[in-house]
Amino acid sequence: EAQVTQNPRYLITVTGKKLTVTCSQNMNHEYMSWYRQDPGLGLRQIYYSMNVEVTDKGDVPEGYKVSRKEKRNFPLILESPSPNQTSLYFCASSLSGGGSYEQYFGPGTRLTVT
Amino acid sequence: GQQLNQSPQSMFIQEGEDVSMNCTSSSIFNTWLWYKQEPGEGPVLLIALYKAGELTSNGRLTAQFGITRKDSFLNISASIPSDVGIYFCAGLARGAGGTSYGKLTFGQGTILTVHP
Repeated sequence: EAQVTQNPRYLITVTGKKLTVTCSQNMNHEYMSWYRQDPGLGLRQIYYSMNVEVTDKGDVPEGYKVSRKEKRNFPLILESPSPNQTSLYFCASSLSGGGSYEQYFGPGTRLTVT
Repeated sequence: GQQLNQSPQSMFIQEGEDVSMNCTSSSIFNTWLWYKQEPGEGPVLLIALYKAGELTSNGRLTAQFGITRKDSFLNISASIPSDVGIYFCAGLARGAGGTSYGKLTFGQGTILTVHP
């Protein structure tokens, strides 16, 4: 089954404790992206990747890191999480980043930073 | 960064009514997309628009790419209870390098409730 998977689905952590949220897709998609969703703000793009080893900042990249060492995986790293990073995070992928192809979203990761 | 203003924020309608929502931006977008999100799930693409002035339908849904490339609207005709969810517009623009697409900006969402 074609899908985007994220792990973990739920995470409660404390301020400053490094964490990684994994994202994997099995559709051989070139484009992958991370978003955070907050009430009243919609989805905001954190980082995206047009292909392996090619990443670029979205609208809200501060406090996050990403890497794209292989096509199927695009982990999101929070080196020193803070409470304002409490949010619902979505990973997405599409065949390419040109907008002509549907973005498939993962199920979401709900992160709470205390 | 770029911002999209989506309205209305929420709508409460009766089954069978038509629905209209729109997005406006201070910046030009090259592609407009409309998504629907149901509780506990990620957004799902409904309609994609690629050219200014384009009018596209998907069943009971119709969306248009504004001539100025700074706005788009989505209409849902004859609403049914399963139309309930959050609808997002999104605009696709070139990345910081200016040579490739990839930077997607979402509106704040319209929460749609349909009463049977």
